[in-house]
Amino acid sequence: GENVEQHPSTLSVQEGDSAVIKCTYSDSASNYFPWYKQELGKRPQLIIDIRSNVGEKKDQRIAVTLNKTAKHFSLHITETQPEDSAVYFCAASYNTDKLIFGTGTRLQVFP
Amino acid sequence: KAGVTQTPRYLIKTRGQQVTLSCSPISGHRSVSWYQQTPGQGLQFLFEYFSETQRNKGNFPGRFSGRQFSNSRSEMNVSTLELGDSALYLCASSLDGGLGAYEQYFGPGTRLTVT
Repeated sequence: GENVEQHPSTLSVQEGDSAVIKCTYSDSASNYFPWYKQELGKRPQLIIDIRSNVGEKKDQRIAVTLNKTAKHFSLHITETQPEDSAVYFCAASYNTDKLIFGTGTRLQVFP
Repeated sequence: KAGVTQTPRYLIKTRGQQVTLSCSPISGHRSVSWYQQTPGQGLQFLFEYFSETQRNKGNFPGRFSGRQFSNSRSEMNVSTLELGDSALYLCASSLDGGLGAYEQYFGPGTRLTVT
C-alpha cells in the first residue's frame, strides 16, 4: 500500500546550523508533497509544499527539493533558531486524495 | 479569515459509548478531511468529505463514520468506543481540489480519552 518513510526520527542541531529531513514515498502517482510543523500541544501547521512539476521551492530559510525518479523529497532549514524546535511531518498525496504522512522528525535546536 | 475550528477540544468517554466530534472549515473551503493522531501510529487518514459526499476513506473499521452538511461543516462519529480509540482527532479543510488548491489546513483537534 501507500507508504511514506521519514528520516531521521530525531535531529539535534546547534543554533545557526542547517537541518535536513528526508522522505521517500511509494506511490508514483503522488503529485503533492507538503511539510507540516507541529509544536507541542498545537495543530500541524503547513510550512511549505511542492508539486510534482517543480524540483525545488524556497521560502526564506526553508527549502524543499523533490526527486521524482527516486521518489524522495527533502526539507532543508538553514540558519536554524530555537523556535524551529518542533516535530516535522512530510506527507504525499495525489491531488486532494488522502495525505499519507511520514512518522515525523523531532528537531531540537540548541542555543 | 477564521481558521478551522473543532469542538469539543477535550472529551472523556467510557468504553462502549459513542462520540460525535464537529469540525467547521475555513470559510469557502469545501473539502474536509479527518485524521487520527496517536504516539504509536502517527497521523492516519480517516476519511474526506466534499460536497456532502465521502470522497475518500482510510483503513478504519466501520465504527468510524462521518458526514458533511451543506455549509461544509463536518462531523465524525465513533461508536462502541474502545481504549485504543484514545487519540487526538484532527480535521483539515481544503479549498477545492478541482482548482488545484490542495493545501490542507488543520484545526486544533479534539483530544479523546476512552477509559
